[in-house]
This record gives sequence, structure tokens and C-alpha cells, in this order.
Amino acid sequence: QLQLQESGPALAKPAETLALTCTVSGDSISSRTYYWGWIRQPPGKGPEWIGSVYNNWSSYYNPSLRSRVTISVDTSKNQFFLKLNSVTAADTAIYYCARHHSVMGILIAAMMFDPWGQGTLVTVSS
Amino acid sequence: QSVLTQPPSVSGAPGQRVTISCTGSSSNIGTGSDVHWYQQLPGTAPKLLIYGNNNRPSGVPHRFSGSKSGTSASLAITGLQAEDEADYYCQSYDSGLSLWVFGGGTKLTVL
Repeated sequence: QLQLQESGPALAKPAETLALTCTVSGDSISSRTYYWGWIRQPPGKGPEWIGSVYNNWSSYYNPSLRSRVTISVDTSKNQFFLKLNSVTAADTAIYYCARHHSVMGILIAAMMFDPWGQGTLVTVSS
Repeated sequence: QSVLTQPPSVSGAPGQRVTISCTGSSSNIGTGSDVHWYQQLPGTAPKLLIYGNNNRPSGVPHRFSGSKSGTSASLAITGLQAEDEADYYCQSYDSGLSLWVFGGGTKLTVL
């Protein structure tokens, strides 16, 4: 059964870089046509898609975060990563990683997030 | 302001039927983009509940169903149970904004 687990610092200082790791178990991260994505959820609000990557060959980013975000994959470790630069208090949220895919190959308009990791709360504060 | 609009809250008594709406536009649901629904129990991660407008993943009870028409979609829950009390989110792809979007969420209260 596919499982994802986020890890990384719970606290980041303003203007610094937030860095998180998602470890995938139960399947190879490069075995099929899947994207791997990051989603965040500020306290009391709905989820916000951050970005998704496919084997370091292709990536999509939320236009509002594109200038500050990098998502990469390490297939040898079955992990993928999030880096968010120049963080502010507005970046405080629970950060989730998830498989981002559609039932029939890569069909952008049909892609869903499933399964999700348990999430990790990152607080931006000095 | 979310691209997909959901009512902030709905409620119903055990055994009743409730529906949650998700209103989009001609650049997301209206273009034919699939709508997916997620259930988020308190303190947990969202879990896929309905995919591709009206399909249930394995293990999701038949009490949950989805539909889509025009620029809107709906989630229906029949035979309401106390364990259904959760936040529900719709999700789709917006081709005008070039991003995957979520609704603002609906809190379901079982009376």
C-alpha cells in the first residue's frame, strides 16, 4: 500500500528557506506515470496546491508561488522535496505531500491527489 | 476567495440526506475538468472520497455519491452517520489560471 510521510523543521524564520522531504513507501517513485505534489493548508482554511513534479523531467507550479518554489525528486531514495524561499508568516501552514495523478495516464484536467501524507505543521516566526 | 465556491456549513440529523455544492466557472468545471471530493476528519489529512465526478475509491461507502452539471458539482451523503462529521472539499483544474484548485470547504455537522 502506497504511503507518504513528510519530514522537516517545524519552525522557519522569516526571509529564510523552508525545506521539506516526502518519503514514499510501498511503490517506486519512478515506476509509473505519476506526478508527486505538495499542498498546504493554513490553519482553519482550505488546501492550496503548491506544485507537482514528475521524475525531475516535468514540473508544474502554482503561479502565485512559482518564483519562490522548487520541487525535486531523488529516485534513488524514493523521496521528493519542497523548497520555499523568502518565507513570511503567511506561509505558516500544514504542508502535505501527495501522489498527483489521473486514472488514465497524465490527463491534466482529471488529476487528483491520492493518497496524502499525514502532514507537517510549519510555523514561520522569528 | 476560492475559485470553487462551497457553502461554509451544512447540517443534518442521523439517517438524513445532505448535499454539498461546489460552484465553479467556465474555466474549470465548465470546461469539462473533473471534480474530486475529499473528506477531512478532525486533525487528519484530507482523504479522497469521490474522483472523476462520480466514482468512489475502494472502501468508500455507497452512501457517498457525486454529480456534475454545467459549472457546478455536488456531493450527496445519504443515511447520515455521526462519523461523517468532517470538512469536505471539492477540487478541479482551472485552465485559465493553470493550476489545480480547491473549494473553501464545507463543515458537515451531524445533529
